[in-house]
This record gives sequence, structure tokens and C-alpha cells, in this order.
Amino acid sequence: DTGVSQDPRHKITKRGQNVTFRCDPISEHNRLYWYRQTLGQGPEFLTYFQNEAQLEKSRLLSDRFSAERPKGSFSTLEIQRTEQGDSAMYLCASTIAGSYNEQFFGPGTRLTVL
Amino acid sequence: DQQVKQNSPSLSVQEGRISILNCDYTNSMFDYFLWYKKYPAEGPTFLISISSIKDKNEDGRFTVFLNKSAKHLSLHIVPSQPGDSAVYFCAASGSGTSYGKLTFGQGTILTVHP
Repeated sequence: DTGVSQDPRHKITKRGQNVTFRCDPISEHNRLYWYRQTLGQGPEFLTYFQNEAQLEKSRLLSDRFSAERPKGSFSTLEIQRTEQGDSAMYLCASTIAGSYNEQFFGPGTRLTVL
Repeated sequence: DQQVKQNSPSLSVQEGRISILNCDYTNSMFDYFLWYKKYPAEGPTFLISISSIKDKNEDGRFTVFLNKSAKHLSLHIVPSQPGDSAVYFCAASGSGTSYGKLTFGQGTILTVHP
């Protein structure tokens, strides 16, 4: 399977714990995006990388959130001191130069904070 | 501030008939529009797009219409098939630093009955 993969698919954690999600994009894609989707809403942009550089972060991304893409391949999204409001589906997407709007999404990581 | 709105949470049509999904936007800087389809437990999948220099784009059974003066776009599916049953998201993007940063609507659940 050469699509975008995300791990884990589901994560249940207690409030105050730290969680980390991983995204593996399609191999030749140089851009990687993170989105968050809550119930009844569409995906909301969080941040994106071009190769290993993080080029933009949404104001939705509080200081408790950090994302990395250390070698320009896979990416991680970490949430520190989780809150119940962080419960959502976290989606990763990747795309290639010249076609940045047509993004390929992974299946998402469903986070539940108790 | 919902810059992209899909005001119909759901739509139900009979197999073989036309499905029309609507989307409105408020940001005049958007110049590229996309439709994504999402099945349960999967990430959104790109369906069709249109640039603001066009008013229509067709791909098989799917046609997207753009009315820039009304800031409105629609997706027509003809004929509708049961396999089209999914959540459809409208998305928009700008140029420059906004290129590739998608803003999504809330989604419309399409159900096509056999």
C-alpha cells in the first residue's frame, strides 16, 4: 500500500497525558499537512511542512502542540498535557510540488481524552 | 468565522437521479476550489476541482460549477449511484502563502437509495 498511513488509528488517553501521532506520507511527496476534524465539522488546517521545514502553524495550534518532520519523510504530532477539548480526528495529508491543493489524506488518528 | 459553508447537512436521492451539493464561501481571496469525498473510517479522497478562471469542470459523472459573483459552487453527480453515498466536503484555497492551505466546509452526507 503506497498511500498515506497514520499510527495509531485510535488513541484513548487521560487528561493531562502526552500523546504522539505518526504520519508516513507518500514517498515522493514533499509537502505534509496536519488537520484536525471534530464531529460535524470539516477538517481544519493545523500546520504544514515542505520537506523538513515547518512553514506555517494555525492559531488553533496552541503551545501544547508540536509537530516535526525531521528528515523530510515521516512526521509526528505531539500533544502535551491533553485536554478533553483535544478529542478529535487528526488527519495527515501529503502532496507533491505543482499540485499542492490536491492532497492525499491518511485514515486519521481518532483521539479520545477522558 | 466559517469561510466555507455547506448549509445542507444531508441529502437523499434515488439511484439514477441527479445529486446537487452546494457550497458557499466568503473569502474573495480563494481562487481554487475542490470537492472531497469521505467514506467512514477513511480519510477524505480528492474528487474534482475548479480554478476561479473557469466556471465549469467536468469529470465523468461529476461536474463542478463555480459562480464567482455569488461566491457559490455546486457539485452535480449524474447519474447518482449507491456507491456515491458518502460525506462530501467542499474546500477552498488561495494563492501565494495560502496555496495548498485548504479551508473546508462542514460536509454534506449524501445517501443514494437503490
